[in-house]
Amino acid sequence: GEDVEQSLFLSVREGDSSVINCTYTDSSSTYLYWYKQEPGAGLQLLTYIFSNMDMKQDQRLTVLLNKKDKHLSLRIADTQTGDSAIYFCAENSSASKIIFGSGTRLSIRP
Amino acid sequence: EPEVTQTPSHQVTQMGQEVILRCVPISNHLYFYWYRQILGQKVEFLVSFYNNEISEKSEIFDDQFSVERPDGSNFTLKIRSTKLEDSAMYFCASCHGREGNIQYFGAGTRLSVL
Repeated sequence: GEDVEQSLFLSVREGDSSVINCTYTDSSSTYLYWYKQEPGAGLQLLTYIFSNMDMKQDQRLTVLLNKKDKHLSLRIADTQTGDSAIYFCAENSSASKIIFGSGTRLSIRP
Repeated sequence: EPEVTQTPSHQVTQMGQEVILRCVPISNHLYFYWYRQILGQKVEFLVSFYNNEISEKSEIFDDQFSVERPDGSNFTLKIRSTKLEDSAMYFCASCHGREGNIQYFGAGTRLSVL
């Protein structure tokens, strides 16, 4: 069945770039998403990419998609303490369910 | 900016009791969803709802669960007889159906079953 995998933890120094990686199995995925969840809060959509794109940039965020390898990454430039959160990779293939990864907890070192 | 709102933010109930979790989706959206997140685990799909009927449901969504859109604005999830393992954060989401199929999530209702 469909699955989305990502590493559980990432620690970076403030000001460095963070790169969060994700792999997925559903080759019919048409949209891939990154959601952010701060402690005790809901799921905030950060960005998304359509499957016919390789890259999308939005201010400090860069999403790279390698459809052949079914690999998605999120790069956060100049990581700040406010970026501390859990980042979820997710995919869907229609206006139906979203399949989420386990989430990567990003922590920032001073 | 329009948002999905969920009430209550925290619901405590006794095992075996019925609970209703409420959601107000974004007003011009057509697709509605419930997800849950057990503490420390993945966000899991429960059910999707379109055109006043369930369009898809997961194995988790058994006979104890039901959804309803009682009027033009609310979307509810009912758990008929709660179990300890129903304790989780429940998220409602809505989607217009275009625009990247983006699902917008509410802040969630934390359900604690004692």
